[in-house]
Amino acid sequence: SQQGEEDPQALSIQEGENATMNCSYKTSINNLQWYRQNSGRGLVHLILIRSNEREKHSGRLRVTLDTSKKSSSLLITASRAADTASYFCATDALNSGGYQKVTFGTGTKLQVIP
Amino acid sequence: EAGVTQFPSHSVIEKGQTVTLRCDPISGHDNLYWYRRVMGKEIKFLLHFVKESKQDESGMPNNRFLAERTGGTYSTLKVQPAELEDSGVYFCASSQDLAGEETQYFGPGTRLLVL
Repeated sequence: SQQGEEDPQALSIQEGENATMNCSYKTSINNLQWYRQNSGRGLVHLILIRSNEREKHSGRLRVTLDTSKKSSSLLITASRAADTASYFCATDALNSGGYQKVTFGTGTKLQVIP
Repeated sequence: EAGVTQFPSHSVIEKGQTVTLRCDPISGHDNLYWYRRVMGKEIKFLLHFVKESKQDESGMPNNRFLAERTGGTYSTLKVQPAELEDSGVYFCASSQDLAGEETQYFGPGTRLLVL
């Protein structure tokens, strides 16, 4: 699998249900971030979790990180039609120059049906 | 405050032609990144500027791609000559020069279609 690979690739749920997306990565990381991309728009930063954190919440979002398994999950509770978008995880690590380098996954396409 | 802007939003060109994409980062952001997402695949890093200098260009696919950031403000990414496999969405992002966690702010992307 590739660095920052998400599953499922596509997810369709009813409004009000919870949506869970998973991300796996290969190398050591400093942080892991989740982004959302609405159709035809740029990426919007959702949440960042540091490598020494296990869980983080932001509104209806809950992110977990398991560095031993090199995996993360994004849970969206009580989904809304407006949550329909593609979701990407991105791992970042410092490159040899000491600068952040971000690696994205292939994304999960979420459709929330009203 | 304005976010990251990219121009054009869409570009359709023929194979062999030249296209120049432009990115205006958030004012004051020293870091500027270019990424590309080819059809249905992951978003791939292309290169990273710190001010006007190329800090990391390890993701540039080949010498048909040329990125510049003269004066350390906006950046251009030129593809010459364009090939079919260059089609995709090109994203630009910027961030402040802060140690530790840096949130990158993305532009809306330029959709490039090479026919």
